[in-house]
Order: sequence, then C-alpha cells, then structure tokens
Amino acid sequence: GAVVSQHPSRVICKSGTSVKIECRSLDFQATTMFWYRQFPKQSLMLMATSNEGSKATYEQGVEKDKFLINHASLTLSTLTVTSAHPEDSSFYICSARDPGTGLDGYTFGSGTRLTVV
Amino acid sequence: RKEVEQDPGPFNVPEGATVAFNCTYSNSASQSFFWYRQDCRKEPKLLMSVYSSGNEDGRFTAQLNRASQYISLLIRDSKLSDSATYLCVVIKVTSGTYKYIFGTGTRLKVLA
Repeated sequence: GAVVSQHPSRVICKSGTSVKIECRSLDFQATTMFWYRQFPKQSLMLMATSNEGSKATYEQGVEKDKFLINHASLTLSTLTVTSAHPEDSSFYICSARDPGTGLDGYTFGSGTRLTVV
Repeated sequence: RKEVEQDPGPFNVPEGATVAFNCTYSNSASQSFFWYRQDCRKEPKLLMSVYSSGNEDGRFTAQLNRASQYISLLIRDSKLSDSATYLCVVIKVTSGTYKYIFGTGTRLKVLA
C-alpha cells in the first residue's frame, strides 16, 4: 500500500528556534498533503492543506507565517515551525492519498513529536 | 458545536465483552465516513469504512444512520489488543478538496 514517510519522529528544540518536519510520499505522487496537529487527549486538528506548486491553504486560526509549508515536489512537503514556543509542543502528523485509491486511501506519516523547551 | 463528536470515554471492558461507540456529525452533506484506530503516540490507521448499508469485518461492525447523523462501531468479543483510541472521521468537501475531519476519539481499554 501507499507509504508516507515523516521525519523526524521526535525533536526537542529551544524556544525561539525553528524546526522543519518533512513528509514524503514514497511510492506515489501527492499533489495534496495535509498537516495535522494533535495535543494530548485531543483530536487531530487540520492545520493546513499543502498544494504542490502553489500556496498552502491554512485553516482558520493557524498562523501561516508561523507554520511555513513548502510543497516543492510531488513527493515532498515540509512544515517549518518558526520561532517555536513551548505552546507549540505537540504531535504533528501529515497525510496524503495515492490518487489511484479511493477516499479511504489516505495514509498518515508516523508523526513528529515536537517538544519546545 | 463540533463538526464531529464522540464520547471520549474511557470505556473499560472485560475481555470477550461487546462494546459500541457512537459518533455524531453536524454536516448533513457529508458523504464518506470512516473509523480509524490510533494507538498511544502513533499515527491513526484505517480500521474500516462506513457504508450506508453497514459494513462488517470480522468482530467489527460499522453502521451509518443518515437521518440521525451518526455512525457507530461495534466490537464483539473484545481482545486485549483492541485497547486503543477509536477515531470517527467524516469527509468534508471544501472548494473541491476532500478534508478529513476527526472526532476527538473514544478510548477503549480491554481488561484481562
């Protein structure tokens, strides 16, 4: 089946620094990828939709200047958390769908646990 | 009101028990529904799709009630390995893009 690879799986950074998270579709091309954030004991919240070759679409309340998304190729999307603060500590996860599959074909990356100290 | 609502639980049940979860959704135009399973600190994984006619896969049965806008998941003969969080997912179409809307999840703990 389709595989989405996400790196790093875990990162600890100092407050004020930036962190980049990568999401790759390994065996399919993804024109669209989704980025989610999950706080402890809460639901996955969609942050933004990453579109290959164009600007990402951000959900209401998500700061586009803080969460920079780049989708420069059909197999790679990156999320950069800029000037991270402790409240940004969360589980970040990406998702994509092989266009050859149905709506149940969304695959998730393994997630990145970000801790800002 | 949240777009997708679930009872967070936890549901603590003994091995072998039957347990059922419900999920309600607010957008009557929603077309596709799924149940995902998420283990602690892991990514969600598709458990099953939910069809209008219902869907059964082994010990798991999913049903959709469009009139009342809820979906259900029934787990029979619970196993210890069923312990996880079960996420209800509804697909929302916005500007031609399909978006997954997740419920908060229902925690299940199967006890020996």
